[in-house]
Order: sequence, then C-alpha cells, then structure tokens
Amino acid sequence: DVQLLESGGGLVQPGGSLRLSCAASGFAFKYYAMSWVRQAPGKGLEWVSSINDSGYGTNYADSVKGRFTISRDNSKNTQYLQMNSLRAEDTALYYCARNYDFNIWGQGTLVTVSS
Amino acid sequence: DVVMTQSPLSLPVTLGQPASVSCRSSQSLVHSDGNTYLSWFHQRPGQSPRRLIYKVSNRDSGVPDRFSGSGSDTDFTLKISRVEAEDVGVYYCLQATHWPRTFGQGTKVEIK
Repeated sequence: DVQLLESGGGLVQPGGSLRLSCAASGFAFKYYAMSWVRQAPGKGLEWVSSINDSGYGTNYADSVKGRFTISRDNSKNTQYLQMNSLRAEDTALYYCARNYDFNIWGQGTLVTVSS
Repeated sequence: DVVMTQSPLSLPVTLGQPASVSCRSSQSLVHSDGNTYLSWFHQRPGQSPRRLIYKVSNRDSGVPDRFSGSGSDTDFTLKISRVEAEDVGVYYCLQATHWPRTFGQGTKVEIK
C-alpha cells in the first residue's frame, strides 16, 4: 500500500523551531516530487512547499519563505520540513503529499505555536 | 497568485439527487505543456483530503463514476450524479498549473 506517515509535530513557543518528517512507503519515492500542505483549525487547505525528485528544486509559499526549508533523503524515503521563527499563524495540521498535485496524502501532524 | 473561487460555499443536498460545485480561476489554467492542471479533492470530517479528479476530468483510482469533472480555461465544475451519504464533507478545487499552488475556499456538502 502507498503510505505517507508524518511525525514531528507538537507545541512550540513563538520564535521556536520544529522539524517535521514524512516517511514514504509502497512506491518509488526517489522518482516523485513531494509537497507539504497545511490546514489551520477549522480552515481550508494551504500549500506550503514542494521539492522535486532530486531535491535540488524547491518552491515555497510567500507566507513561509525564508523561515521554512524543505528537504529530502531518498536513501531513507523521507522528506522533511524545517520550520524556524514560528508564528501563531503557523498553527495547523501539516500534511505530507505526493507530487506537485497532491495525489496521495498522509494523516497529518499537528503543529501548535503558542506561549 | 491565481485566485480560485468556489461556489456555493455551502450545499445542502438530498440523497439520490445530483449536486454541482463550481470553481473559477483568476487566470487561465492551461499549462505551457498543453495540460490543464485542475484537481478536485474531498475531505470528510476528521480525515485527510482525498483527490477525486485530476487534469479537469480524470477520475482517480477507486473513485465512483458518479463523480465527474468538466470545464476549461478558467471555469470548472464537479458534478455528483446521485449523492450518497458518504459524499458529505468539504470539496476543494486546486490549480497545479502555476506557482504558488492555490486551493479554492472549499464547499461544504451536507444532507438535507
């Protein structure tokens, strides 16, 4: 079965950092672009970032540019989202998704930014 | 950024009846490669989104054929031919032609 499993969420103070991970299984991870999409409580979906199959091509939403860094380790079938300088408005459920058009989703990991 | 506008935002439906959601983009979604990257997603309460339709009208594997997508350029529609109880939730359109990727606001479908 194709599966994406996120981890690394939690409670962090404003200005703090967190690193999310997404472990992929059931498909040839190294051949697929990957993405992160978030959903604030009770709100809609917001694309955050995407990375190409090699890891050398990345895109970011303006709301996270300069604070978040997407990366991947194809030897571990895992992608990451390093989140720095976190703000209250970054509070959301963060989903890992396959490809640039999100054809497969994980179950999400919750990030709460609060003092 | 491409703005995706869905209507209606709330859609009460009767079981067995058809339903339709509209999605309009602020600019053409035709990619330079000739494809139109407009997708539809369904999110049930407490669950992750699931893609139903990609490239305007292609159903993903396992999606019932009561779901269909149509449209072109800037105007798109998701239709459910006969609504079933499991179809409740929020439907989102997504454009994956331009960066940044952008979603519609979501349409909440509920049973009357």
